[in-house]
Amino acid sequence: NAGVMQNPRHLVRRRGQEARLRCSPVKGHSHVYWYRQLPEEGLKFMVYLQKENIIDESGMPKERFSAEFPKEGPSILRIQQVVRGDSAAYFCASSPSRRKARVETQYFGPGTRLLVL
Amino acid sequence: KNEVEQSPQNLTAQEGEFITINCSYSVGISALHWLQQHPGGGIVSLFMLSSGKKKHGRLIATINIQEKHSSLHITASHPRDSAVYICAVLPLNYGGSQGNLIFGKGTKLSVKP
Repeated sequence: NAGVMQNPRHLVRRRGQEARLRCSPVKGHSHVYWYRQLPEEGLKFMVYLQKENIIDESGMPKERFSAEFPKEGPSILRIQQVVRGDSAAYFCASSPSRRKARVETQYFGPGTRLLVL
Repeated sequence: KNEVEQSPQNLTAQEGEFITINCSYSVGISALHWLQQHPGGGIVSLFMLSSGKKKHGRLIATINIQEKHSSLHITASHPRDSAVYICAVLPLNYGGSQGNLIFGKGTKLSVKP
């Protein structure tokens, strides 16, 4: 049973380009979370998605960042017009469900390390 | 003040030592996670707990909800335990979707042979 897959593992972009980060959750998991880890800082929540729905995007910058989790295919975190400050490790996690009154373990992917030149 | 505080920030131990990493938080929570991040960067979930104590191999995690405090213990530490250990809490979120993880800054553990 494959775990959470993220690709690419490393991504280099020049300022102004677009970055697309992909996350395939554990098979059967319908909930995806994106987190960002800036250099020398802790992880920060960005966005929580279910299939075809954004549930909570309170941690995501209002401009240039967007996320989707389509019915088919991986979840995508998209960063338009990247700047140097976007350089970070981006982690995806998935969980099977968020049933009421039940908290599920989140399974983390290996991360994508984005470097903006 | 961060909502999740870990101590110590850095910890160096000799192989075989008993290790304790502490986590204090200031919000009401549904659950608390302990995560391990290896030098290569990948993150592994070690424990999720909302009360009491859990044990897995040489790792033990405890939580005291009243005191808003959790500890991660490693018995008979080994160099392969060298990693960053991260505490994360899932805050209670009334009236909406459940909250999402708030992370401590991590404790960097180095175990010397």
